[in-house]
Amino acid sequence: GAGVSQSPSNKVTEKGKDVELRCDPISGHTALYWYRQSLGQGLEFLIYFQGNSAPDKSGLPSDRFSAERTGGSVSTLTIQRTQQEDSAVYLCASSLVGLDTDTQYFGPGTRLTVL
Amino acid sequence: AQSVTQLDSHVSVSEGTPVLLRCNYSSSYSPSLFWYVQHPNKGLQLLLKYTSAATLVKGINGFEAEFKKSETSFHLTKPSAHMSDAAEYFCVVSDGPLDTGRRALTFGSGTRLQVQP
Repeated sequence: GAGVSQSPSNKVTEKGKDVELRCDPISGHTALYWYRQSLGQGLEFLIYFQGNSAPDKSGLPSDRFSAERTGGSVSTLTIQRTQQEDSAVYLCASSLVGLDTDTQYFGPGTRLTVL
Repeated sequence: AQSVTQLDSHVSVSEGTPVLLRCNYSSSYSPSLFWYVQHPNKGLQLLLKYTSAATLVKGINGFEAEFKKSETSFHLTKPSAHMSDAAEYFCVVSDGPLDTGRRALTFGSGTRLQVQP
C-alpha cells in the first residue's frame, strides 16, 4: 500500500521567508511525528500528533516552528522567518496506535535549504 | 531517560565479508529497539525490530540483530555484505511509559557502511 508521502521533496528559500512542509501519513495511522535531520546528525524529534489529543510540542526548537494536523490526516509543518540553521531534512513518520505503536514508518523527507 | 550510542561512525567492509554495526542503549522502561537504514537521498526504511518476543531478530535483506540485556547491546550483523548495503544505519530505542500512546524514539548518531568491491 501507499507509504508516507511528503512534499515538496526539496525547498530552497531565502532567510526570513516562511515555509510550509506537508506530510500525508499512511491511511489509518492515527499517530504522526515530525523529525529534523541536520547534516551529520541523528534525528531530532519535533512534534507528535495522536488523534484528537493535544499535540506534544516538546521538541520544537523555537516559536518560529508550528505544526497542525487537519482532519486527523494530513499535517503541515510551518517555519516562520527561516534562518540558515533551519537548513535540514525534515522527516515525517506515522504509526498505528495499539500493538504496533512503536513502529514508525517514515516518509522520504523534505530537504530545506535556507540561503 | 533513554539514550543510544552507535560505537562506530564509519565502517568499511569488503563485499562478501561479514558486517557488524555496534549499538548500545540505556532505557528506564521496557524498550523496543530498531534498526533503520537510510540510502543516499532516501527516507528511512525499517530493517528490524525487537520487542521482547525473541532476543535474536531477523530483518530484511539478510540482516539480524541480537538483544543482549546484560550488555545493553543491540548489534546489527549480516554474514555477507553486498554492494547495495552501502548506506547509513541508525539504531533506535523506543521508550516511555507503556500506558501512553506515544513512545518517544531516540536515534543514534548513525553508522555509515561502505562496501568495497
